[in-house]
Amino acid sequence: DAGITQSPRYKITETGRQVTLMCHQTWSHSYMFWYRQDLGHGLRLIYYSAAADITDKGEVPDGYVVSRSKTENFPLTLESATRSQTSVYFCASMGWRKDTGELFFGEGSRLTVL
Amino acid sequence: AQSVSQHNHHVILSEAASLELGCNYSYGGTVNLFWYVQYPGQHLQLLLKYFSGDPLVKGIKGFEAEFIKSKFSFNLRKPSVQWSDTAEYFCAVTFSNDYKLSFGAGTTVTVRA
Repeated sequence: DAGITQSPRYKITETGRQVTLMCHQTWSHSYMFWYRQDLGHGLRLIYYSAAADITDKGEVPDGYVVSRSKTENFPLTLESATRSQTSVYFCASMGWRKDTGELFFGEGSRLTVL
Repeated sequence: AQSVSQHNHHVILSEAASLELGCNYSYGGTVNLFWYVQYPGQHLQLLLKYFSGDPLVKGIKGFEAEFIKSKFSFNLRKPSVQWSDTAEYFCAVTFSNDYKLSFGAGTTVTVRA
């Protein structure tokens, strides 16, 4: 019962480096999401995906890239990390019945950009 | 623009006190409403949700929330909190049956023993 797992859980990197955060879910959920959590802002949607090979921008997509070649994986890449991308990143998934509205979250990836 | 507001940033209370957290949204159309909780060091999990029907919904761990359409509100309540309720609470909304959730900024609740 692995559910949804994120890696790495903690990452420190330098400005300008590329970083990829991994997200893997074992439920075959159709919908997947990436959020960032910042103090005072709550969770803001970065990118989302309705199915494999279908992705779309959320509220704060600039500086991020996603892909979804397989249903179970939804990696998030910071192409050239900036200090403003220091945050906690949460991946989430939702089953095929999107009207249930229940997101299942991973445990988060805490990223620090120096 | 559609938005979700949580009025309290940080609430501190003693065990057995009553808790009420405010949540408002700005949108005149159909909404689905949620409260999520994040306990220290854990991932977010669903407390309760409202889609339709009885505007008073009950969730896990003794929490309930009331949807007041005229006030665009979905406040979370618990009559008597415990130390284990210390957590961050997020209100979330979907607009017009979109499946993407918009979250409020969150309220940190600290319960003192």
